[in-house]
Amino acid sequence: DGGITQSPKYLFRKEGQNVTLSCEQNLNHDAMYWYRQDPGQGLRLIYYSQIVNDFQKGDIAEGYSVSREKKESFPLTVTSAQKNPTAFYLCASSISMGINTEAFFGQGTRLTVV
Amino acid sequence: RKEVEQDPGPFNVPEGATVAFNCTYSNSASQSFFWYRQDCRKEPKLLMSVYSSGNEDGRFTAQLNRASQYISLLIRDSKLSDSATYLCVVKNQGGKLIFGQGTELSVKP
Repeated sequence: DGGITQSPKYLFRKEGQNVTLSCEQNLNHDAMYWYRQDPGQGLRLIYYSQIVNDFQKGDIAEGYSVSREKKESFPLTVTSAQKNPTAFYLCASSISMGINTEAFFGQGTRLTVV
Repeated sequence: RKEVEQDPGPFNVPEGATVAFNCTYSNSASQSFFWYRQDCRKEPKLLMSVYSSGNEDGRFTAQLNRASQYISLLIRDSKLSDSATYLCVVKNQGGKLIFGQGTELSVKP
């Protein structure tokens, strides 16, 4: 099946630990995105990547890091510097950054930091 | 000011009603526009793209007014299954996808 896979679906971590969220796509899409969603809120852009080995900060990049070593993969690391890491994290991909190219989402990872 | 703004609602309507959602965006250079639907605790899914001439898909009609930087979504003959949060999305010239905070719709029997 073609699509975007995020794992795990639920993740629990202790405060002060770094954690890496996985995002893999087999759609041959160039562009990938990471968003964060808090209860009752919209999606806020963390990082995005247009092409392998290149990525840009979104609106709330502080406390997060990413890599794009392969076209299919765009992992997100939530570092201990992120003050409020508990949230719903969504990964998306798009065939390109061009106009009229919609994004498709994975099922998300719910991160809880205790 | 937020880049994309929506009325958060909630909109509570009876089955069969017509409901309209509005969205404004601040970046006049924005290039593409979409409406997504998000069910509770699920990922957003594309409902429809929004074209300059306006477009329709069954009971759903989307309109774009570039001069006023305004996007709308009209849902006719609401169904119970239309209950969800509707997200207005704008893609800017750098390829960033910016989401509004969403408008919650609840369709009642």
